[in-house]
Amino acid sequence: NAGVTQTPKFRVLKTGQSMTLLCAQDMNHEYMYWYRQDPGMGLRLIHYSVGEGTTAKGEVPDGYNVSRLKKQNFLLGLESAAPSQTSVYFCASRYLAGGAGNEQFFGPGTRLTVL
Amino acid sequence: GENVEQHPSTLSVQEGDSAVIKCTYSDSASNYFPWYKQELGKRPQLIIDIRSNVGEKKDQRIAVTLNKTAKHFSLHITETQPEDSAVYFCAASLNFGNEKLTFGTGTRLTIIP
Repeated sequence: NAGVTQTPKFRVLKTGQSMTLLCAQDMNHEYMYWYRQDPGMGLRLIHYSVGEGTTAKGEVPDGYNVSRLKKQNFLLGLESAAPSQTSVYFCASRYLAGGAGNEQFFGPGTRLTVL
Repeated sequence: GENVEQHPSTLSVQEGDSAVIKCTYSDSASNYFPWYKQELGKRPQLIIDIRSNVGEKKDQRIAVTLNKTAKHFSLHITETQPEDSAVYFCAASLNFGNEKLTFGTGTRLTIIP
Protein backbone atom coordinates (compact mmCIF):
# COMPACT_ATOMS: atom_id res chain seq x y z
CA ASN A 1 0.00 0.00 0.00
CA ALA A 2 1.20 3.49 -0.85
CA GLY A 3 -0.62 5.06 2.10
CA VAL A 4 -1.19 8.79 1.63
CA THR A 5 0.44 10.42 -1.39
CA GLN A 6 0.56 14.04 -2.49
CA THR A 7 1.16 15.62 -5.88
CA PRO A 8 3.22 17.69 -6.59
CA LYS A 9 6.10 17.64 -4.07
CA PHE A 10 7.27 21.17 -4.91
CA ARG A 11 5.75 24.08 -6.79
CA VAL A 12 6.59 27.73 -7.40
CA LEU A 13 3.76 30.06 -8.39
CA LYS A 14 3.51 33.71 -9.25
CA THR A 15 1.00 35.88 -7.41
CA GLY A 16 -2.43 35.46 -8.95
CA GLN A 17 -1.81 32.06 -10.51
CA SER A 18 -3.98 29.10 -9.65
CA MET A 19 -3.14 25.50 -8.89
CA THR A 20 -4.55 22.29 -7.45
CA LEU A 21 -2.86 19.99 -4.95
CA LEU A 22 -3.89 16.35 -5.09
CA CYS A 23 -4.06 14.00 -2.14
CA ALA A 24 -4.73 10.30 -2.61
CA GLN A 25 -5.08 7.49 -0.06
CA ASP A 26 -5.47 3.77 -0.61
CA MET A 27 -6.52 2.83 2.95
CA ASN A 28 -10.27 3.30 2.42
CA HIS A 29 -10.30 6.09 5.01
CA GLU A 30 -13.46 8.11 5.37
CA TYR A 31 -11.92 11.28 6.77
CA MET A 32 -9.40 13.44 4.94
CA TYR A 33 -7.73 16.70 5.96
CA TRP A 34 -5.63 19.49 4.51
CA TYR A 35 -3.19 21.32 6.80
CA ARG A 36 -0.64 24.03 6.28
CA GLN A 37 2.58 24.15 8.28
CA ASP A 38 4.38 27.42 8.87
CA PRO A 39 7.40 28.01 11.13
CA GLY A 40 6.35 28.52 14.74
CA MET A 41 2.67 27.97 13.99
CA GLY A 42 2.31 24.23 14.00
CA LEU A 43 -0.23 22.43 11.84
CA ARG A 44 -3.31 24.48 11.01
CA LEU A 45 -6.38 22.88 9.49
CA ILE A 46 -7.54 24.40 6.20
CA HIS A 47 -10.45 22.17 5.17
CA TYR A 48 -11.54 18.61 5.84
CA SER A 49 -13.96 15.99 4.58
CA VAL A 50 -15.91 13.36 6.50
CA GLY A 51 -16.79 11.36 3.41
CA GLU A 52 -17.16 11.34 -0.36
CA GLY A 53 -18.99 14.45 -1.55
CA THR A 54 -18.59 16.34 1.75
CA THR A 55 -16.31 19.20 2.74
CA ALA A 56 -16.08 21.50 5.76
CA LYS A 57 -14.05 24.54 6.78
CA GLY A 58 -11.19 24.32 9.22
CA GLU A 59 -9.26 26.98 11.06
CA VAL A 60 -7.78 28.86 8.07
CA PRO A 61 -10.02 28.26 5.00
CA ASP A 62 -9.83 31.66 3.30
CA GLY A 63 -8.25 31.59 -0.16
CA TYR A 64 -8.65 27.83 -0.55
CA ASN A 65 -11.29 25.51 -1.96
CA VAL A 66 -11.57 21.74 -1.77
CA SER A 67 -13.41 18.89 -3.43
CA ARG A 68 -13.91 15.21 -2.57
CA LEU A 69 -15.52 13.67 -5.63
CA LYS A 70 -14.01 10.26 -4.94
CA LYS A 71 -13.45 8.69 -1.54
CA GLN A 72 -9.76 8.16 -2.15
CA ASN A 73 -8.97 11.69 -3.40
CA PHE A 74 -9.08 15.11 -1.74
CA LEU A 75 -8.15 18.15 -3.84
CA LEU A 76 -7.01 21.52 -2.51
CA GLY A 77 -7.33 24.48 -4.87
CA LEU A 78 -5.81 27.94 -4.80
CA GLU A 79 -7.76 30.17 -7.19
CA SER A 80 -5.50 33.24 -6.97
CA ALA A 81 -2.28 32.52 -5.10
CA ALA A 82 -0.84 35.09 -2.69
CA PRO A 83 2.62 35.24 -1.04
CA SER A 84 0.90 34.56 2.31
CA GLN A 85 0.07 31.09 1.00
CA THR A 86 3.73 30.14 0.82
CA SER A 87 3.84 27.12 3.09
CA VAL A 88 4.22 23.36 3.36
CA TYR A 89 0.90 21.63 2.82
CA PHE A 90 0.12 18.27 4.37
CA CYS A 91 -2.76 15.99 3.64
CA ALA A 92 -3.92 13.42 6.20
CA SER A 93 -6.56 10.72 6.44
CA ARG A 94 -8.08 8.43 9.07
CA TYR A 95 -10.82 5.90 9.65
CA LEU A 96 -14.28 7.02 10.76
CA ALA A 97 -14.70 4.29 13.35
CA GLY A 98 -13.28 5.16 16.75
CA GLY A 99 -13.82 8.91 16.43
CA ALA A 100 -10.99 11.39 16.53
CA GLY A 101 -9.06 8.86 18.55
CA ASN A 102 -7.79 7.22 15.45
CA GLU A 103 -4.37 7.95 14.07
CA GLN A 104 -4.19 10.47 11.29
CA PHE A 105 -1.85 9.27 8.53
CA PHE A 106 -0.03 12.09 6.82
CA GLY A 107 1.22 12.46 3.28
CA PRO A 108 4.81 13.55 2.51
CA GLY A 109 3.88 17.20 2.03
CA THR A 110 3.94 19.77 -0.77
CA ARG A 111 6.26 22.76 -0.53
CA LEU A 112 4.61 25.73 -2.22
CA THR A 113 6.30 29.06 -2.84
CA VAL A 114 4.31 32.04 -4.12
CA LEU A 115 6.43 34.85 -5.54
CA GLY B 1 -13.12 26.21 19.90
CA GLU B 2 -10.18 24.35 21.37
CA ASN B 3 -6.87 26.15 21.91
CA VAL B 4 -3.65 24.22 22.61
CA GLU B 5 -0.50 25.89 23.90
CA GLN B 6 2.84 24.06 23.82
CA HIS B 7 6.11 24.80 25.64
CA PRO B 8 8.98 25.11 25.15
CA SER B 9 9.33 25.93 21.47
CA THR B 10 12.91 24.63 21.46
CA LEU B 11 14.65 22.21 23.79
CA SER B 12 18.22 20.89 23.83
CA VAL B 13 19.26 18.01 26.08
CA GLN B 14 22.36 15.91 26.46
CA GLU B 15 22.15 12.41 25.07
CA GLY B 16 20.98 10.09 27.81
CA ASP B 17 19.14 12.79 29.76
CA SER B 18 15.36 13.16 29.89
CA ALA B 19 13.20 15.62 27.96
CA VAL B 20 9.78 16.96 28.94
CA ILE B 21 7.39 18.87 26.69
CA LYS B 22 4.22 20.42 28.13
CA CYS B 23 0.86 21.34 26.61
CA THR B 24 -2.24 23.02 27.97
CA TYR B 25 -5.70 22.98 26.43
CA SER B 26 -8.74 25.18 26.88
CA ASP B 27 -11.80 22.97 26.27
CA SER B 28 -12.57 20.89 29.34
CA ALA B 29 -14.63 18.53 27.14
CA SER B 30 -11.53 17.36 25.23
CA ASN B 31 -10.69 13.77 26.04
CA TYR B 32 -8.18 12.60 23.43
CA PHE B 33 -4.55 13.79 23.41
CA PRO B 34 -2.09 12.48 20.80
CA TRP B 35 1.55 13.33 20.24
CA TYR B 36 3.10 13.44 16.77
CA LYS B 37 6.79 13.39 15.87
CA GLN B 38 8.12 15.04 12.73
CA GLU B 39 11.70 14.38 11.69
CA LEU B 40 13.41 16.93 9.48
CA GLY B 41 11.86 16.94 6.01
CA LYS B 42 9.47 14.12 6.86
CA ARG B 43 5.76 13.78 7.59
CA PRO B 44 4.30 13.87 11.13
CA GLN B 45 3.72 10.44 12.67
CA LEU B 46 1.80 9.42 15.78
CA ILE B 47 4.07 8.24 18.59
CA ILE B 48 1.73 7.97 21.57
CA ASP B 49 -1.73 9.07 22.67
CA ILE B 50 -3.81 9.16 25.83
CA ARG B 51 -7.49 9.30 26.59
CA SER B 52 -8.95 11.04 29.61
CA ASN B 53 -9.92 7.86 31.41
CA VAL B 54 -6.23 7.27 32.22
CA GLY B 55 -3.65 9.54 33.85
CA GLU B 56 -0.48 8.08 32.35
CA LYS B 57 0.59 5.87 29.47
CA LYS B 58 4.02 4.47 28.69
CA ASP B 59 5.62 2.96 25.61
CA GLN B 60 9.26 2.02 26.16
CA ARG B 61 11.18 5.30 26.59
CA ILE B 62 8.24 7.63 26.04
CA ALA B 63 5.36 8.40 28.36
CA VAL B 64 2.50 10.84 28.45
CA THR B 65 0.80 12.17 31.57
CA LEU B 66 -2.55 13.92 31.78
CA ASN B 67 -3.97 16.23 34.43
CA LYS B 68 -7.61 16.90 33.51
CA THR B 69 -8.19 19.20 36.46
CA ALA B 70 -5.41 21.53 35.39
CA LYS B 71 -6.05 20.87 31.68
CA HIS B 72 -2.49 20.00 30.84
CA PHE B 73 -0.61 17.01 29.51
CA SER B 74 3.07 16.27 29.02
CA LEU B 75 5.39 14.12 26.93
CA HIS B 76 8.33 12.53 28.71
CA ILE B 77 11.27 10.99 26.85
CA THR B 78 13.84 9.16 28.95
CA GLU B 79 17.37 8.06 28.02
CA THR B 80 17.30 10.31 24.98
CA GLN B 81 19.08 9.22 21.81
CA PRO B 82 20.17 11.15 18.68
CA GLU B 83 17.21 9.73 16.74
CA ASP B 84 14.87 11.51 19.17
CA SER B 85 15.88 14.82 17.56
CA ALA B 86 12.73 16.07 15.82
CA VAL B 87 9.79 18.44 16.15
CA TYR B 88 7.07 17.17 18.48
CA PHE B 89 3.44 18.29 18.28
CA CYS B 90 0.76 17.79 20.89
CA ALA B 91 -2.93 17.87 19.97
CA ALA B 92 -6.33 17.72 21.65
CA SER B 93 -9.82 16.72 20.60
CA LEU B 94 -13.06 15.17 21.62
CA ASN B 95 -12.77 11.45 20.96
CA PHE B 96 -16.23 11.32 19.48
CA GLY B 97 -18.46 14.03 18.06
CA ASN B 98 -15.56 16.11 16.75
CA GLU B 99 -13.74 15.26 13.58
CA LYS B 100 -10.80 17.59 14.13
CA LEU B 101 -7.55 17.70 16.05
CA THR B 102 -6.23 21.02 17.34
CA PHE B 103 -2.43 21.01 17.30
CA GLY B 104 0.06 22.87 19.43
CA THR B 105 2.75 24.98 17.78
CA GLY B 106 5.48 22.34 18.14
CA THR B 107 8.71 21.80 20.08
CA ARG B 108 12.02 21.36 18.30
CA LEU B 109 14.01 18.85 20.37
CA THR B 110 17.74 18.59 19.78
CA ILE B 111 19.76 15.80 21.38
CA ILE B 112 23.37 16.81 21.95
CA PRO B 113 25.80 13.87 21.56
